[in-house]
Amino acid sequence: DAGITQSPRHKVTETGTPVTLRCHQTENHRYMYWYRQDPGHGLRLIHYSYGVKDTDKGEVSDGYSVSRSKTEDFLLTLESATSSQTSVYFCAISRDGGSYNEQFFGPGTRLTVL
Amino acid sequence: DQQVKQNSPSLSVQEGRISILNCDYTNSMFDYFLWYKKYPAEGPTFLISISSIKDKNEDGRFTVFLNKSAKHLSLHIVPSQPGDSAVYFCAASSYSGGGADGLTFGKGTHLIIQP
Repeated sequence: DAGITQSPRHKVTETGTPVTLRCHQTENHRYMYWYRQDPGHGLRLIHYSYGVKDTDKGEVSDGYSVSRSKTEDFLLTLESATSSQTSVYFCAISRDGGSYNEQFFGPGTRLTVL
Repeated sequence: DQQVKQNSPSLSVQEGRISILNCDYTNSMFDYFLWYKKYPAEGPTFLISISSIKDKNEDGRFTVFLNKSAKHLSLHIVPSQPGDSAVYFCAASSYSGGGADGLTFGKGTHLIIQP
Protein backbone atom coordinates (compact mmCIF):
# COMPACT_ATOMS: atom_id res chain seq x y z
CA ASP A 1 0.00 0.00 0.00
CA ALA A 2 1.65 3.23 -1.17
CA GLY A 3 -0.60 5.45 0.95
CA ILE A 4 -2.26 7.23 -1.97
CA THR A 5 -5.78 8.56 -1.77
CA GLN A 6 -7.78 10.37 -4.41
CA SER A 7 -10.78 12.60 -3.98
CA PRO A 8 -13.48 12.65 -5.03
CA ARG A 9 -13.78 9.03 -6.15
CA HIS A 10 -16.69 9.84 -8.43
CA LYS A 11 -17.87 13.12 -9.89
CA VAL A 12 -20.48 14.17 -12.41
CA THR A 13 -20.26 17.69 -13.75
CA GLU A 14 -21.47 19.78 -16.64
CA THR A 15 -19.59 21.07 -19.65
CA GLY A 16 -17.86 24.36 -18.98
CA THR A 17 -17.55 24.01 -15.21
CA PRO A 18 -14.17 23.93 -13.45
CA VAL A 19 -13.19 20.69 -11.71
CA THR A 20 -10.32 19.94 -9.34
CA LEU A 21 -9.18 16.44 -8.47
CA ARG A 22 -6.95 15.84 -5.48
CA CYS A 23 -4.23 13.29 -4.94
CA HIS A 24 -2.80 12.87 -1.46
CA GLN A 25 0.16 10.71 -0.41
CA THR A 26 1.25 9.93 3.12
CA GLU A 27 4.91 9.10 2.41
CA ASN A 28 6.18 12.46 1.06
CA HIS A 29 7.81 11.13 -2.12
CA ARG A 30 9.08 13.66 -4.62
CA TYR A 31 7.56 12.34 -7.85
CA MET A 32 3.83 12.35 -8.48
CA TYR A 33 1.87 11.77 -11.68
CA TRP A 34 -1.58 12.15 -13.17
CA TYR A 35 -2.81 9.70 -15.82
CA ARG A 36 -6.13 9.21 -17.54
CA GLN A 37 -7.49 5.87 -18.67
CA ASP A 38 -9.88 5.58 -21.58
CA PRO A 39 -11.21 2.54 -23.43
CA GLY A 40 -8.88 1.68 -26.28
CA HIS A 41 -6.07 3.90 -24.99
CA GLY A 42 -4.59 2.35 -21.88
CA LEU A 43 -3.21 4.93 -19.45
CA ARG A 44 -1.83 8.22 -20.73
CA LEU A 45 0.29 10.71 -18.80
CA ILE A 46 -1.28 14.15 -18.27
CA HIS A 47 1.21 15.97 -16.00
CA TYR A 48 3.82 15.06 -13.46
CA SER A 49 5.65 16.76 -10.61
CA TYR A 50 9.19 16.33 -9.31
CA GLY A 51 8.82 18.51 -6.24
CA VAL A 52 6.89 21.36 -4.69
CA LYS A 53 6.01 23.85 -7.44
CA ASP A 54 7.96 21.78 -9.99
CA THR A 55 5.71 20.30 -12.66
CA ASP A 56 5.91 19.31 -16.30
CA LYS A 57 3.58 18.30 -19.09
CA GLY A 58 2.86 14.79 -20.25
CA GLU A 59 1.43 13.34 -23.44
CA VAL A 60 -2.14 14.67 -23.08
CA SER A 61 -1.81 17.91 -21.08
CA ASP A 62 -4.08 20.18 -23.15
CA GLY A 63 -7.06 21.38 -21.10
CA TYR A 64 -5.44 20.45 -17.78
CA SER A 65 -3.37 22.30 -15.22
CA VAL A 66 -1.72 21.08 -12.04
CA SER A 67 -0.44 22.50 -8.82
CA ARG A 68 1.73 21.21 -6.02
CA SER A 69 2.06 23.56 -3.08
CA LYS A 70 2.80 20.77 -0.57
CA THR A 71 4.79 17.58 -1.03
CA GLU A 72 1.84 15.41 -0.10
CA ASP A 73 -0.78 16.94 -2.43
CA PHE A 74 -0.95 17.06 -6.22
CA LEU A 75 -4.00 18.76 -7.71
CA LEU A 76 -5.34 18.32 -11.23
CA THR A 77 -7.62 21.06 -12.54
CA LEU A 78 -9.87 21.10 -15.56
CA GLU A 79 -10.45 24.82 -16.05
CA SER A 80 -13.53 24.31 -18.23
CA ALA A 81 -14.55 20.67 -18.44
CA THR A 82 -15.49 19.14 -21.80
CA SER A 83 -17.16 15.84 -22.62
CA SER A 84 -13.86 14.56 -24.03
CA GLN A 85 -12.45 14.75 -20.50
CA THR A 86 -14.88 12.11 -19.27
CA SER A 87 -12.44 9.49 -18.07
CA VAL A 88 -10.97 7.67 -15.11
CA TYR A 89 -8.10 9.61 -13.59
CA PHE A 90 -5.28 7.92 -11.71
CA CYS A 91 -2.64 9.48 -9.55
CA ALA A 92 0.69 7.71 -9.07
CA ILE A 93 3.92 8.13 -7.14
CA SER A 94 7.48 6.92 -7.52
CA ARG A 95 9.19 6.05 -4.28
CA ASP A 96 12.28 8.04 -3.33
CA GLY A 97 15.20 5.71 -2.89
CA GLY A 98 13.71 3.15 -5.23
CA SER A 99 13.47 2.88 -8.97
CA TYR A 100 11.60 5.83 -10.39
CA ASN A 101 10.44 3.48 -13.10
CA GLU A 102 8.19 1.65 -10.67
CA GLN A 103 5.11 3.72 -10.06
CA PHE A 104 2.35 3.01 -7.57
CA PHE A 105 -1.20 4.06 -8.26
CA GLY A 106 -4.12 5.43 -6.32
CA PRO A 107 -7.66 4.01 -6.59
CA GLY A 108 -8.78 6.45 -9.31
CA THR A 109 -11.45 9.10 -9.81
CA ARG A 110 -14.25 8.49 -12.28
CA LEU A 111 -15.24 11.80 -13.86
CA THR A 112 -18.27 12.23 -16.08
CA VAL A 113 -18.75 15.49 -17.98
CA LEU A 114 -22.29 15.91 -19.31
CA ASP B 1 1.57 6.45 -33.13
CA GLN B 2 1.49 3.79 -30.45
CA GLN B 3 4.89 3.09 -28.92
CA VAL B 4 3.77 0.18 -26.72
CA LYS B 5 1.42 -2.33 -28.30
CA GLN B 6 -0.61 -5.12 -26.81
CA ASN B 7 -2.27 -6.67 -29.80
CA SER B 8 -4.54 -9.09 -27.96
CA PRO B 9 -7.45 -7.26 -26.30
CA SER B 10 -8.43 -10.46 -24.49
CA LEU B 11 -7.10 -13.90 -23.67
CA SER B 12 -8.91 -16.89 -22.18
CA VAL B 13 -6.90 -19.58 -20.38
CA GLN B 14 -7.90 -22.62 -18.42
CA GLU B 15 -7.10 -22.66 -14.70
CA GLY B 16 -3.80 -24.40 -14.00
CA ARG B 17 -2.39 -23.78 -17.48
CA ILE B 18 0.15 -21.19 -18.56
CA SER B 19 -0.98 -17.67 -19.50
CA ILE B 20 1.25 -15.80 -21.94
CA LEU B 21 0.66 -12.10 -22.50
CA ASN B 22 2.58 -10.32 -25.21
CA CYS B 23 3.80 -6.77 -25.70
CA ASP B 24 5.71 -5.07 -28.52
CA TYR B 25 7.39 -1.68 -28.50
CA THR B 26 8.74 0.62 -31.17
CA ASN B 27 10.83 3.17 -29.28
CA SER B 28 14.48 2.13 -29.07
CA MET B 29 14.99 4.54 -26.17
CA PHE B 30 12.86 2.39 -23.86
CA ASP B 31 15.12 0.60 -21.43
CA TYR B 32 12.84 -0.50 -18.60
CA PHE B 33 9.63 -2.46 -18.86
CA LEU B 34 6.88 -3.18 -16.39
CA TRP B 35 3.69 -5.18 -16.12
CA TYR B 36 0.69 -3.96 -14.16
CA LYS B 37 -2.45 -5.81 -13.20
CA LYS B 38 -5.77 -4.02 -12.87
CA TYR B 39 -9.05 -5.10 -11.38
CA PRO B 40 -12.27 -3.15 -12.14
CA ALA B 41 -12.73 0.02 -10.08
CA GLU B 42 -9.19 -0.21 -8.68
CA GLY B 43 -5.88 1.37 -9.59
CA PRO B 44 -3.23 -0.60 -11.48
CA THR B 45 -1.01 -2.75 -9.28
CA PHE B 46 2.68 -3.20 -10.08
CA LEU B 47 3.43 -6.83 -10.87
CA ILE B 48 6.94 -7.32 -12.23
CA SER B 49 9.58 -5.40 -14.18
CA ILE B 50 12.70 -5.96 -16.26
CA SER B 51 15.64 -3.83 -17.23
CA SER B 52 16.92 -3.89 -20.80
CA ILE B 53 20.21 -5.36 -19.62
CA LYS B 54 18.40 -8.58 -18.72
CA ASP B 55 16.39 -11.04 -20.78
CA LYS B 56 14.43 -12.67 -17.98
CA ASN B 57 13.08 -11.82 -14.57
CA GLU B 58 11.15 -14.18 -12.34
CA ASP B 59 8.97 -13.62 -9.30
CA GLY B 60 7.01 -16.59 -8.06
CA ARG B 61 4.44 -17.58 -10.68
CA PHE B 62 5.30 -14.60 -12.86
CA THR B 63 8.14 -14.43 -15.37
CA VAL B 64 8.86 -11.65 -17.83
CA PHE B 65 10.98 -12.30 -20.91
CA LEU B 66 12.56 -9.54 -22.97
CA ASN B 67 13.78 -9.90 -26.55
CA LYS B 68 15.47 -6.59 -27.35
CA SER B 69 16.30 -7.39 -30.95
CA ALA B 70 12.64 -8.11 -31.64
CA LYS B 71 11.43 -5.29 -29.36
CA HIS B 72 9.15 -7.81 -27.71
CA LEU B 73 8.37 -8.83 -24.17
CA SER B 74 6.05 -11.37 -22.68
CA LEU B 75 4.60 -12.16 -19.27
CA HIS B 76 4.17 -15.81 -18.32
CA ILE B 77 1.90 -16.82 -15.47
CA VAL B 78 2.26 -20.42 -14.31
CA PRO B 79 -0.01 -21.91 -13.12
CA SER B 80 -2.90 -19.59 -13.86
CA GLN B 81 -5.36 -19.08 -11.03
CA PRO B 82 -8.88 -17.58 -10.95
CA GLY B 83 -7.58 -14.50 -9.12
CA ASP B 84 -5.37 -13.76 -12.12
CA SER B 85 -8.43 -12.70 -14.12
CA ALA B 86 -7.81 -8.99 -14.68
CA VAL B 87 -6.57 -6.50 -17.26
CA TYR B 88 -2.80 -6.56 -17.70
CA PHE B 89 -0.94 -3.48 -18.91
CA CYS B 90 2.53 -3.44 -20.35
CA ALA B 91 4.45 -0.21 -19.70
CA ALA B 92 7.84 1.22 -20.60
CA SER B 93 10.15 4.03 -19.60
CA SER B 94 13.02 5.63 -21.45
CA TYR B 95 16.68 5.87 -20.56
CA SER B 96 16.63 9.65 -20.72
CA GLY B 97 13.96 10.02 -18.08
CA GLY B 98 14.87 7.06 -15.90
CA GLY B 99 11.16 6.60 -15.44
CA ALA B 100 10.85 9.86 -13.54
CA ASP B 101 9.11 11.54 -16.47
CA GLY B 102 6.33 8.97 -16.64
CA LEU B 103 5.50 5.63 -18.20
CA THR B 104 4.13 4.77 -21.63
CA PHE B 105 1.40 2.16 -21.47
CA GLY B 106 -0.10 -0.32 -23.87
CA LYS B 107 -3.87 -0.62 -24.23
CA GLY B 108 -4.08 -3.69 -22.03
CA THR B 109 -5.06 -7.35 -22.36
CA HIS B 110 -8.04 -8.74 -20.49
CA LEU B 111 -7.04 -12.14 -19.13
CA ILE B 112 -9.88 -14.49 -18.26
CA ILE B 113 -9.09 -17.65 -16.33
CA GLN B 114 -11.66 -20.35 -17.00
CA PRO B 115 -12.36 -22.91 -14.24
